[in-house]
Amino acid sequence: GAVVSQHPSWVICKSGTSVKIECRSLDFQATTMFWYRQFPKQSLMLMATSNEGSKATYEQGVEKDKFLINHASLTLSTLTVTSAHPEDSSFYICSAQSPGQGASGELFFGEGSRLTVL
Amino acid sequence: GDSVTQMEGPVTLSEEAFLTINCTYTATGYPSLFWYVQYPGEGLQLLLKATKADDKGSNKGFEATYRKETTSFHLEKGSVQVSDSAVYFCALNSGGYQKVTFGTGTKLQVIP
Repeated sequence: GAVVSQHPSWVICKSGTSVKIECRSLDFQATTMFWYRQFPKQSLMLMATSNEGSKATYEQGVEKDKFLINHASLTLSTLTVTSAHPEDSSFYICSAQSPGQGASGELFFGEGSRLTVL
Repeated sequence: GDSVTQMEGPVTLSEEAFLTINCTYTATGYPSLFWYVQYPGEGLQLLLKATKADDKGSNKGFEATYRKETTSFHLEKGSVQVSDSAVYFCALNSGGYQKVTFGTGTKLQVIP
């Protein structure tokens, strides 16, 4: 199957700093990637849809100025948490759909990135 | 809009017990249905899928059948192992490059 990789897996930062998380599709081109946030009770929240070469589409209630998403190429999307605060601590997961799997809509997920803001 | 409802957890079973995790959905048209599994500290992996009514998805001893008449996609396994302990997400996609709708996840703990 298609492979999606995230980096870093773990990141600890001080309050007020910014953190960038990368999501790469390793063996396919992804025009669309999705960013999720997972809360302690395990539920997944879709934050935004990242579109290559255009602005991301944010879900209602997600602050676009705090969670900056850039999809500069067909294999890379980045999520930058700006001026991070402890309440931003969470597990962030990206995913993408491979063109070869488009008919079924199957998603391929990255390994996730655990952000801890001190 | 689309929605997925799955049974609340956590579910605790003894090794070799039978597993059922219920999942029902509402969607327009004919969605594809999925079960994803998330092991501790990891991202999600596709466990199985079904793309049309009456299809049965299967993998690693897990099965789920796409039941359009009951709008369900229940996950089953005849004999669970400790290594099956994870969070299981039911999900659907109503068509092509659309966002996938997830259930809230069900945590399964299998004890020896």
